[in-house]
Amino acid sequence: DAGVTQSPTHLIKTRGQQVTLRCSPKSGHDTVSWYQQALGQGPQFIFQYYEEEERQRGNFPDRFSGHQFPNYSSELNVNALLLGDSALYLCASSFIEEADTQYFGPGTRLTVL
Amino acid sequence: AQKITQTQPGMFVQEKEAVTLDCTYDTSDQSYGLFWYKQPSSGEMIFLIYQGSYDEQNATEGRYSLNFQKARKSANLVISASQLGDSAMYFCATLRTYKYIFGTGTRLKVLA
Repeated sequence: DAGVTQSPTHLIKTRGQQVTLRCSPKSGHDTVSWYQQALGQGPQFIFQYYEEEERQRGNFPDRFSGHQFPNYSSELNVNALLLGDSALYLCASSFIEEADTQYFGPGTRLTVL
Repeated sequence: AQKITQTQPGMFVQEKEAVTLDCTYDTSDQSYGLFWYKQPSSGEMIFLIYQGSYDEQNATEGRYSLNFQKARKSANLVISASQLGDSAMYFCATLRTYKYIFGTGTRLKVLA
């Protein structure tokens, strides 16, 4: 039973570029949440997807967008990258009827130069 | 608004000893849950233990226990018999409307 997987593991981009991060949820899970973890901080909620719709959004600008596919996998897109977007991006999956139990992936470490 | 406070940026503990990591929370909800996660240097958040606000007993999971004091709004994590592999970041969190709210974490270093 595969857990949550994320790709790529590491990514280096320059300011102004765009990036796409990918997440495959744990088998049987239908809900995907994305978090941003800056160095030395706790993770901050970006948004959550369920049934291919954005269910809830944290305090992040519109440069951050996402998508959920029919197979429940998800993408996080960030446009016009800023130096401050450098962080570990974590994906968490859950089953909608057990929202208290979220399983995290290993994260994608994004560096913006 | 929900808030989690972890006041210990870093802690040291000798191998085989117990250690307590502090967490206080602020919430207006009557019913809530508190979580502790471990984050090794690899980055993955590993679930450790959960305490519901209406649970009468303190939660325990193996060497982990949660010292829940509702009146003080504290939910401290106790790790007994520390092991070298316990060296990691530890985050306290609560869940509200489907999203986790995390504290800033405590870095624990276990000394041999």
